[in-house]
Order: sequence, then C-alpha cells, then structure tokens
Amino acid sequence: DTEVTQTPKHLVMGMTNKKSLKCEQHMGHRAMYWYKQKAKKPPELMFVYSYEKLSINESVPSRFSPECPNSSLLNLHLHALQPEDSALYLCASSQVGTANYEQYFGPGTRLTVT
Amino acid sequence: GENVEQHPSTLSVQEGDSAVIKCTYSDSASNYFPWYKQELGKGPQLIIDIRSNVGEKKDQRIAVTLNKTAKHFSLHITETQPEDSAVYFCAASGSNQFYFGTGTSLTVIP
Repeated sequence: DTEVTQTPKHLVMGMTNKKSLKCEQHMGHRAMYWYKQKAKKPPELMFVYSYEKLSINESVPSRFSPECPNSSLLNLHLHALQPEDSALYLCASSQVGTANYEQYFGPGTRLTVT
Repeated sequence: GENVEQHPSTLSVQEGDSAVIKCTYSDSASNYFPWYKQELGKGPQLIIDIRSNVGEKKDQRIAVTLNKTAKHFSLHITETQPEDSAVYFCAASGSNQFYFGTGTSLTVIP
C-alpha cells in the first residue's frame, strides 16, 4: 500500500483565519514532506521532516507552521495567509529523508484564501 | 544547485502512437531520477524511476532511459491510450531534495 491521505480536500479561508492541513501515511516511512503547487507548475518543496525532526525549511514564511506529532502524521498550520498562498498543498512521504528514495504523494488540499 | 529542464511543454499524439519526453540535469552527483504523472485534480503519481547505475528500465508500455555522460534522461510511452493524458514531471535527486522539471502536458487524441 503506497497511500498518503490528506484532509481536507478543499479549504476556503479568510486572511484572518487559522486552519490546519493534515496528512497521514501508514507505510512506515520516516520522512514526510510538504509541497506547494501552483497551477501548471511543478511542486515546490516547503518542509521536510526526517525521523519527526524538521530537517529542511525552504525559507517559508512564518504564517505556515509545520508539525510532526508522530512518524505517521504531518500537519501544516495556517495563519494570516495571503491570497497568493492559494494553491494545491501536497504531502509526500519516503522511506528515509534523502533524495535517493521514492516519494509518494497524497492527493493534495486545494486551498483558496479570500 | 541542480537545474532540470524538460521538453516539450506540451505534446499531442494520436492514440496508439508513442510519446517521448526529455529532461536534462546539471549536477553530475544526481543519481536518482523519478517520473511522475499528475492527472487533473490529483497528486503526482510515481510511474517509473531509474538510478544512475542503470541505463534503461521498462515497465509494460513505459520505459525510461538515462545517459549519465550527456546528463539527460527520457520517458517513453508506447501504444498511448487516452488515459495517458496528464501532466508528466521528471525529477532529479539533489543532495537533499528532488528538483522537478517544468512539466509536459500530454494529450492523447482518440
């Protein structure tokens, strides 16, 4: 089973709201990732967690706050977002946190900031 | 860092024909090259990958070739079907992350 699940599928939020995106995998993977994808563009890496520790933060604004409560779960907390943050947010996981292993993506959360 | 270029950006083929998508990379240290298929409204799906110690890999109608010397790799889809229509992304492994190509929108015309 190579399934990564993400909730919610769609989210509309105002610029003053606080919301969270959730991601879950049960493949025993020890690395999990958040990507942002704009229309007709490739995914852009935001954060990498390796063994539940933040290992990469690609200079993402502080209005995005990741959290890894355990090896199967990954959250992305959102606060005071801007309309330009509207995008598809993808979660992925891999066996370990190096770039030599397959990454499996979830279906994404379509976020609209109004 | 790594730089991955992908061509063409759009590709239309008749059903049953072959499709080829090409990528080049810049960092000779990259050693893992996955290909992803992304259908509308879905996340990217890993369809095939190749490592630098292998020149070619095939899985049914899909094959990938790698030329390390020239730093390019290609995706070949034979006997295309309408369900192959999607956006395809190549990627190259850098020191600690994937670097994606810009994507190819493939349309298979029935």
